[in-house]
Amino acid sequence: ETGVTQSPTHLIKTRGQQVTLRCSSQSGHNTVSWYQQALGQGPQFIFQYYREEENGRGNFPPRFSGLQFPNYSSELNVNALELDDSALYLCASSSRTEGDTQYFGPGTRLTVL
Amino acid sequence: EDQVTQSPEALRLQEGESSSLNCSYTVSGLRGLFWYRQDPGKGPEFLFTLYSAGEEKEKERLKATLTKKESFLHITAPKPEDSATYLCAVPRYGGSQGNLIFGKGTKLSVKP
Repeated sequence: ETGVTQSPTHLIKTRGQQVTLRCSSQSGHNTVSWYQQALGQGPQFIFQYYREEENGRGNFPPRFSGLQFPNYSSELNVNALELDDSALYLCASSSRTEGDTQYFGPGTRLTVL
Repeated sequence: EDQVTQSPEALRLQEGESSSLNCSYTVSGLRGLFWYRQDPGKGPEFLFTLYSAGEEKEKERLKATLTKKESFLHITAPKPEDSATYLCAVPRYGGSQGNLIFGKGTKLSVKP
């Protein structure tokens, strides 16, 4: 069984640029959620994708957007990067049969200069 | 407002010194409480799900318990490899499945 994978591991961007982060869900999981984790804080829910559609969104602006593909993998796109977007971005996958239990990937560390 | 508060923020133990971490929650309708372990720079690793008051779950040196207002993660005879940040989370009431509210975590350091 393959776990959740994310790419890239690290990324450095400058303010105003755009970034795309990628996630492959765990085998058998059809739902993907994205979280942002600032240093010293708990993860914060960005949004979730199920059946290729957004299925819930946290308190994040529209410049945070996403996609889910037929194979359940997902992308997180962030436009017009700001310094405060520097964080660890976590992808979590789940199966509807396991309720709210989320399994997390290793994360992508984004630094905005 | 749904909220999760963890205490203490940091805990330093000697190897073999048992202790407990606390997670207090405020949510309108509890659909479960989750414990995760997170190593520095890594993603959270799932430990336990608890669904109802009185429920207990164990894994090696860890035991999680749940009451109507809080959960405890008991660590018995910890080892240095138990050093990590422990996070608890609850689903947001009325949110989509998997929309979790996390606490800030308790950073545990176990010295040999």
